[in-house]
Amino acid sequence: DTAVSQTPKYLVTQMGNDKSIKCEQNLGHDTMYWYKQDSKKFLKIMFSYNNKELIINETVPNRFSPKSPDKAHLNLHINSLELGDSAVYFCASSQDFSQPQHFGDGTRLSIL
Amino acid sequence: QQQVKQSPQSLIVQKGGISIINCAYENTAFDYFPWYQQFPGKGPALLIAIRPDVSEKKEGRFTISFNKSAKQFSLHIMDSQPGDSATYFCAATSGKAAGNKLTFGGGTRVLVKP
Repeated sequence: DTAVSQTPKYLVTQMGNDKSIKCEQNLGHDTMYWYKQDSKKFLKIMFSYNNKELIINETVPNRFSPKSPDKAHLNLHINSLELGDSAVYFCASSQDFSQPQHFGDGTRLSIL
Repeated sequence: QQQVKQSPQSLIVQKGGISIINCAYENTAFDYFPWYQQFPGKGPALLIAIRPDVSEKKEGRFTISFNKSAKQFSLHIMDSQPGDSATYFCAATSGKAAGNKLTFGGGTRVLVKP
């Protein structure tokens, strides 16, 4: 069973649209994260949640809104998509703030 | 401002050789330094990690060397194999104090030639 799973794996859409990416972890972890990997493969934190509570919002535009309906899920909703949003988005989870993070396989978002 | 600098950007090594990747950090609050391995189309996978109270950690063919005074750490891959061809990322975090956010280096693409 996949520990951290994201859907969809690929997302192609037009500028201005609204889209969501879902993330689920079956590891029983308390903390979940979203990272963005740009075209140069640079990885940067976007958000972290602990027990459904937002802990980090790393100066991400408010067009990005994470939602955590329960500890096992952290979804990412993006409004008014822009060309610069094209990237691979990774969800990750950890048991708590002192434990290693486990990553999903990413969602490749392409904006036309 | 890139708080973790990684070099080289790419590396070609013969099978059986040693791959060495270096990272330098600025934030002295960092207290956990993991290395991640990423294959194309996959997410980063934790390879090995170290805390600053030790100078070296070895797991199989992978060794981290850590120099706290120089604020540098490195990954050595011994007896490199073609299956090790991947992108490697160093990272650092100050744990709970910073919400456990990982600050990544820019990555090193390693190609192991048979």
